[in-house]
Amino acid sequence: GQQLNQSPQSMFIQEGEDVSMNCTSSSIFNTWLWYKQDPGEGPVLLIALYKAGELTSNGRLTAQFGITRKDSFLNISASIPSDVGIYFCAGLSPQGGSEKLVFGKGTKLTVNP
Amino acid sequence: DAGVIQSPRHEVTEMGQEVTLRCKLISGHNSLFWYRQTMMRGLELLIYFNNNVPIDDSGMPEDRFSAKMPNASFSTLKIQPSEPRDSAVYFCASSLHTGTHNVLTFGAGSRLTVL
Repeated sequence: GQQLNQSPQSMFIQEGEDVSMNCTSSSIFNTWLWYKQDPGEGPVLLIALYKAGELTSNGRLTAQFGITRKDSFLNISASIPSDVGIYFCAGLSPQGGSEKLVFGKGTKLTVNP
Repeated sequence: DAGVIQSPRHEVTEMGQEVTLRCKLISGHNSLFWYRQTMMRGLELLIYFNNNVPIDDSGMPEDRFSAKMPNASFSTLKIQPSEPRDSAVYFCASSLHTGTHNVLTFGAGSRLTVL
């Protein structure tokens, strides 16, 4: 089945540093989504990308839909303690009208004050 | 809107018992997804419905799992009999499927522990 390779698995950074994480796949996706999950909660949508090459920002977050449609990255600038959590990428395949969102395994972010 | 509402938030049960997890969709959404999250396997899609009809249940682990949508706003996921390996957080998510955009909104999850 389709798989997303998300990296890194975990990151330990100092407050104020920039963060970059990415997802790659051997399959093509026509939608990329980035979610954040806080402890004890469900994933919450951060950014949605619908076109190859699209670059979208949401505050200190910036995400891009790779030109090949097989990858995406998420950057967080000037990290703060509340950025702590697990970040998931998710891809939606256009094949056969599937509604399946395939999720990466997540990047666990720790921000030291 | 209160978002996707799941219950119970936590359940501890003994092996062999029946477990029923509940989900209320966001008003106006027409697609419903059940996911299971574990440390080892991450987020796995179990089943999804579109307009109350099950579209793909290939992720359902085995016959012990069943899901229903008795109406457009409510769904249940049942495990019978439950086993320790079913311990996980189960998420329900809903979306408004437009054909091109399909952004899921997740509930807070139901943490299941089977002893």
